[in-house]
Amino acid sequence: EVQLVESGGGLVQPGGSLRLSCAASGFTFSPFAMTWVRQAPGKGLEWVSAIVGSSRTTYYADSVKGRFTISRDNSKNTLYLQMNSLRAEDTALYYCAKDRIYWGSSWQFDSWGQGTLVTVSS
Amino acid sequence: EIVMTQSPGTLSVSPGERATLSCRASQSVSNNLAWYQQKPGQAPRLLIYDASTRATGIPARFSGSGSGTDFTLTISSLQSEDFAVYYCQQYNNWPLTFGGGTKVEIK
Repeated sequence: EVQLVESGGGLVQPGGSLRLSCAASGFTFSPFAMTWVRQAPGKGLEWVSAIVGSSRTTYYADSVKGRFTISRDNSKNTLYLQMNSLRAEDTALYYCAKDRIYWGSSWQFDSWGQGTLVTVSS
Repeated sequence: EIVMTQSPGTLSVSPGERATLSCRASQSVSNNLAWYQQKPGQAPRLLIYDASTRATGIPARFSGSGSGTDFTLTISSLQSEDFAVYYCQQYNNWPLTFGGGTKVEIK
């Protein structure tokens, strides 16, 4: 069974940093593209960042470009999101999700974690 | 950035009735469109990809159609477990973008 478990969220002051992790199990991690999607309280889904299986290519939403960095450690089956210069508008539940296809990238996401909450407030 | 607009914002439907949800893209996304279902307190679930292909394990009462800029998700006969928020997502261009969602509630 595919499992994605996010961690690392919490309360941080504006301008601060956090590193989110997403531990994957139940599938062969390295061939699958992965993504982070966030959801502000009571709001809709917002795509944040994505990375292909080899880590050679990454993508970012304009709202986080230059502040967030996505990475992965295929030896540890773990996806990361380093978040710097955090703002109040980054407050959200952050989900990691797995691409649907093996060895490629469809950018459709068929398995999701339960999310980790990031709150940016003084 | 491609803007995805979903309508209506809320749809009130009786169990057993048909629900039709709309998603419109600000420019053509070909058939590179997915639909997700999200229930309260849960993560999204992939329902449809490539505009009309059901994801693994999704019941046949869910169907998708459309191409270019206009897409529809139809739930042929609403079951109690289908009351949720539905999102469309385009993957034709970067950045990936989601629609604002349609809440399907019990009438």
